[in-house]
Amino acid sequence: QMQLRESGPGLVKPSETLSLTCFVSGGSISRSDYYWGWFRQPPGKGLEWIGSIYYDGRTYYDRPLKSRVTIFLDTSKKNFSLKLRSVTAADTAVYYCARPFGGFWGQGTLVTVSS
Amino acid sequence: AIQMTQSPPSLSASVGDRVTITCRASQGISNNLDWYQQKPGRAPKLLIYGASSLQSGVPSRFSGSGFGTDFTLTISSLQPEDFATYFCVQDFDYPITFGPGTKVDIK
Repeated sequence: QMQLRESGPGLVKPSETLSLTCFVSGGSISRSDYYWGWFRQPPGKGLEWIGSIYYDGRTYYDRPLKSRVTIFLDTSKKNFSLKLRSVTAADTAVYYCARPFGGFWGQGTLVTVSS
Repeated sequence: AIQMTQSPPSLSASVGDRVTITCRASQGISNNLDWYQQKPGRAPKLLIYGASSLQSGVPSRFSGSGFGTDFTLTISSLQPEDFATYFCVQDFDYPITFGPGTKVDIK
């Protein structure tokens, strides 16, 4: 059974870069027919899509975040990562990695932006 | 961007009730609509994909229907473990967008 697990700091200072990695086990990260995604959920709010990456390297980002976000895939290490630059308190959220095709989600990790 | 709306925002129901939640897209999305259940502090759980296909392992009391712009999630007989928030999401086009959610609680 495929499992995803987010890893990264739970506290980031304003103006710095949020970095998270999603480790994938129990399945291939190299198939071309679906995407890997990052999502987030601010406290008490709904889910938001951040961006997606495909095996061939294509990426799509949510427009409001596009200038600050990079997602990259490391097939050799079976993980994909999120970098969100110049964070503010508005970026405080539970961050999820997922392969929505098949319904595979990590457990989520709370990232708080605070000095 | 495709806007997703849901109704009602919340509802109170009893065990055994039939519950219907609707989701509407601002433009046609074919059948590219999934339904998720989320409980506090937990990751979303996929219930329905492709508007009407039941995800493996999900009880058959959950069903989905719809095409184009109007979609429905039905719980035929609400069980205690079904009290949660339900989201629809479209992946017909980028950006991927979610409905605001429907919270189902105990009457």
